[in-house]
Amino acid sequence: AQRVTQPEKLLSVFKGAPVELKCNYSYSGSPELFWYVQYSRQRLQLLLRHISRESIKGFTADLNKGETSFHLKKPFAQEEDSAMYYCAPQGGATNKLIFGTGTLLAVQP
Amino acid sequence: DSGVTQTPKHLITATGQRVTLRCSPRSGDLSVYWYQQSLDQGLQFLIQYYNGEERAKGNILERFSAQQFPDLHSELNLSSLELGDSALYFCASSARGPTGGELFFGEGSRLTVL
Repeated sequence: AQRVTQPEKLLSVFKGAPVELKCNYSYSGSPELFWYVQYSRQRLQLLLRHISRESIKGFTADLNKGETSFHLKKPFAQEEDSAMYYCAPQGGATNKLIFGTGTLLAVQP
Repeated sequence: DSGVTQTPKHLITATGQRVTLRCSPRSGDLSVYWYQQSLDQGLQFLIQYYNGEERAKGNILERFSAQQFPDLHSELNLSSLELGDSALYFCASSARGPTGGELFFGEGSRLTVL
């Protein structure tokens, strides 16, 4: 069965501290992996995808196929990073996108 | 603004009733997705349409149905409503056809069942 696990419901860090939001997935085939973010009072939007291998707002995510993980990292958290983050693999015969339960990142001043 | 429009933004109704949620995708997007977001379940994939045809089904109850019309807007129909159906319902559209890609989300329709 397709499954995404984000073990932390809430991650609270201080400004300037490193951040790692964990994501493990169980998915047939080779899914495309995404991180979506929802800032307060805003729409859910794409943060980054693994195929682009780029850094967005200082965030990076490395796909580890052996561990089936796609953890999101940022070396120095900022208060404006406070938001809900969702890991989302996409693939399979129908290419549907499923979401993890999300991690609420709270960056304290 | 993602270009995806959902109506209504808020809806309050009673148990046993039926409601219809509407979604207009971004101009040119052929794929429409519906998701349900609740506090305890997170974002649950309900159903996906591509150019008027059902493409994938997720955890959608039999009391729920959806369709995508020739003008590509989509409607999600929820019937025999129960208290547990109270949630935020998101619509998203995608430009990359049936093979997926980045999803653009609407602001959601918040349904409250009393």
